[in-house]
Amino acid sequence: AQKITQTQPGMFVQEKEAVTLDCTYDTSDQSYGLFWYKQPSSGEMIFLIYQGSYDEQNATEGRYSLNFQKARKSANLVISASQLGDSAMYFCAMRDRSNDYKLSFGAGTTVTVRA
Amino acid sequence: GAVVSQHPSRVICKSGTSVKIECRSLDFQATTMFWYRQFPKQSLMLMATSNEGSKATYEQGVEKDKFLINHASLTLSTLTVTSAHPEDSSFYICSAEAGDYLHNEQFFGPGTRLTVL
Repeated sequence: AQKITQTQPGMFVQEKEAVTLDCTYDTSDQSYGLFWYKQPSSGEMIFLIYQGSYDEQNATEGRYSLNFQKARKSANLVISASQLGDSAMYFCAMRDRSNDYKLSFGAGTTVTVRA
Repeated sequence: GAVVSQHPSRVICKSGTSVKIECRSLDFQATTMFWYRQFPKQSLMLMATSNEGSKATYEQGVEKDKFLINHASLTLSTLTVTSAHPEDSSFYICSAEAGDYLHNEQFFGPGTRLTVL
């Protein structure tokens, strides 16, 4: 069964605008971790933000924030004030005990920022 | 964050040859290293998990004899693609982590692009 679902294959966003990338997850564990990674065309995986299942506040890191809705099992990434350098593929990922704490990745969303 | 290097970054080889890819954690000791494979515009697929000094644990469908993993030290893991064929052409990425599992950030290497002719 798919553990991480990213339903948006590709998105376009205007420079300086905000964009929300959807991510839903599936787990029966109470304790789990959610991650977002950015992968530019160079291929490197860049860690953006982490949200623990017991964290009561939504995680934020600079222009990145995670909209964590536990009951809906969603962990959407919001990128504010988009920049041209934000053009990349974005992956949502989860670690939970049922998968031996290995990272399960979603299919990814390609974001293209337009000037 | 911590730095993980991979070498080589790009390799082109003839069908039937073996290729070794190195993954090093440069400024920390990695209890666990992971090897992923990624096809163009697709997600990362975990191939295997390796712990220093023990045999790698392969994911279902990954041929152990085809993809040999050696985790010789806490800072080095190698992936050898034996008798490579064109269908093995892919982007291979390693990652490393230290400490407890759930909250760990995995630190990724820059990847190795393998092309088999």
